[in-house]
Amino acid sequence: GIQVEQSPPDLILQEGANSTLRCNFSDSVNNLQWFHQNPWGQLINLFYIPSGTKQNGRLSATTVATERYSLLYISSSQTTDSGVYFCAPTPTPNDMRFGAGTRLTVKP
Amino acid sequence: GAGVSQSPRYKVAKRGQDVALRCDPISGHVSLFWYQQALGQGPEFLTYFQNEAQLDKSGLPSDRFFAERPEGSVSTLKIQRTQQEDSAVYLCASSLVISNSPLHFGNGTRLTVT
Repeated sequence: GIQVEQSPPDLILQEGANSTLRCNFSDSVNNLQWFHQNPWGQLINLFYIPSGTKQNGRLSATTVATERYSLLYISSSQTTDSGVYFCAPTPTPNDMRFGAGTRLTVKP
Repeated sequence: GAGVSQSPRYKVAKRGQDVALRCDPISGHVSLFWYQQALGQGPEFLTYFQNEAQLDKSGLPSDRFFAERPEGSVSTLKIQRTQQEDSAVYLCASSLVISNSPLHFGNGTRLTVT
C-alpha cells in the first residue's frame, strides 16, 4: 500500500512564528486531505487538496501530485493551533491512508 | 444532524466482553468509514460503506470485528470477545460521496479493555 511520511514528527513554536509541515507519499493519489486533531481528539478537515494551492485564513496548503508531496503552511501561529496535523493521501477513492502526523506545540 | 455523532464517548469493557459502538453520520452522506487510532498513531482504516453496502472490510483486524449499516445511515461496529489490544479510539467518518468530498469525523469512542 501507499507509504506516507510526515515531517517533522514534532515541532515547538513560539506564538506568532510561521511553520511548514511536509507530507511525502509513495504512489499517485486520487486526492489528499489535511486534518488537525485537537488536544481533545477531534479531527477537523482543513483542506481537500488533490493538487494546486488553497488558502484558508492563516493556513494554506500546496500539493504537487507529480512529485508526490504536499505542504501545509501555518502563519502567525496561535496556541489554539496546537495539536497533531495529519495528511491523508487517497490512492483510490475509498483507500485514504494517514501519516503518523506532526505534533505541533505553540507556546504563548 | 450538524455533524457525525458517535456513542458512547467512552467504553470500558472487561476482556472477553462484547461491545457495540454506534455512528450517526451527517444526514445524506453516502460514504461511511471506520478507523482505529492507537495512542500516538495516525488513524488506521478498518472498513468502508457506500450506503448500506460494505465495500471494503480489509482493515478489520480479525473476525471478532464486525460492522453493519443496514439502512444506509446509522452504522454499528461490533467487537466480540474483546482483547486488551483492542483498546484504542474508534473513529467514524462520513462524506457526501465517495470521491471529491472532504471527510468529516466524529469525536470517536475511546475503548479501554481491562
